[in-house]
Order: sequence, then C-alpha cells, then structure tokens
Amino acid sequence: ETGVTQTPRHLVMGMTNKKSLKCEQHLGHNAMYWYKQSAKKPLELMFVYNFKEQTENNSVPSRFSPECPNSSHLFLHLHTLQPEDSALYLCASSPGPTQETQYFGPGTRLLVL
Amino acid sequence: DAKTTQPPSMDCAEGRAANLPCNHSTISGNEYVYWYRQIHSQGPQYIIHGLKNNETNEMASLIITEDRKSSTLILPHATLRDTAVYYCIVRVANDYKLSFGAGTTVTVRA
Repeated sequence: ETGVTQTPRHLVMGMTNKKSLKCEQHLGHNAMYWYKQSAKKPLELMFVYNFKEQTENNSVPSRFSPECPNSSHLFLHLHTLQPEDSALYLCASSPGPTQETQYFGPGTRLLVL
Repeated sequence: DAKTTQPPSMDCAEGRAANLPCNHSTISGNEYVYWYRQIHSQGPQYIIHGLKNNETNEMASLIITEDRKSSTLILPHATLRDTAVYYCIVRVANDYKLSFGAGTTVTVRA
C-alpha cells in the first residue's frame, strides 16, 4: 500500500548526529501518529497530531522532536540519541483522531551506534 | 495492558481457512474489536473491525460471539503471504489509542 510513505526506510546514525524521519500520507486524513517498536516489544505510541496540533506526547524524551507542518506531513527530528533508541519507527494516519481506523506506513528501521 | 488474549502461535496449511481466536472477556459495550497484522519488519496492516455484528471484507471475516467476550478472525484461503503476526485489539469508541499486545504468530505452510 502507498497511502502512507516513510523515508528513509533504513537509517544508521551516531549518538552525536542529527537526523530527521519523514512521513507523508496521501489519504486526506487529519490525524497523524508516531509509534516506536523495539525488538520483541509491543508498539508504543509516541505522538499524536490532529489538524497539525499536537494532542499527545506520551512521555517521550526531548531528544525526539516531532513536527507537523500540515495534515499530510509529519517529521520526527532526532538528536543525541542513545543505542537503546534503535527501533522501528512507524507513522500512521487516520481520518480523525477518535474511533477511526489508523493506517500505517512501512516504517523506518533506525540503528543508533 | 492489552485487554485481549491470543494464542502465541499457530500453523495453518496453504489454501485452507485459518481461524484465529481472541478472548476479550472484559470488553465494554462501546469497545470495538480491531484486527491488524504485521508482516516481518513492515508496518501493521489493518484487516477488519467490528462492534457486535459479524463483518466481512475482501481480506477476512470477523465473527464476534453474542456475548462479545470472544471473536475469531477467519482468513478464508490462507496463502504463504499471510504469514505474519496478527493482533486483536479492543478499542474504546472515541479514543485513538491502539494497544498492541504480543499477537499470534501465524505461519502458513505449503
């Protein structure tokens, strides 16, 4: 499916690097989400945006900084990450934030060295 | 703190129907049952959801018991590409939160 795209698909970065993950949805949705999936752990919700406004920050460390310039695009800016931040980062979107089906992108596999 | 219980794994034969059970004995009246699957290292894929009635779409059928305490996802003709982790999720109406548990690892064998 190409409704939600994420770039890059794979990323390797050092702990002092700054990088950004990008998500774009082509579904006309108004809500977007960032999830983290660590090895052998359930998905964890990180951030929720509704109509470009952040409505949820699930106690995420400040080294992760989200940005939502419009309803179609979502970024996750990364800086001074730790090796334990290595994970699959997933973006999702839904028509609205409540009781609407979320559609996921393919994810970005991040490795922090 | 997933509100569902699923078997950790199951095998099924290619071309046969795969029946995936899920228990959600504490489900409330305003909670939906959602099914997603995740093929290795990819994003979760929405399959189907329902509240009370049985549902069917091009991917699967969802059978919900009358007391709503359990449900079964049916893949009518399993293929090798259906090998994935299947998640049964109970979701409150008007709440965006999806709580993914451990799911059922389904392996379709030729």
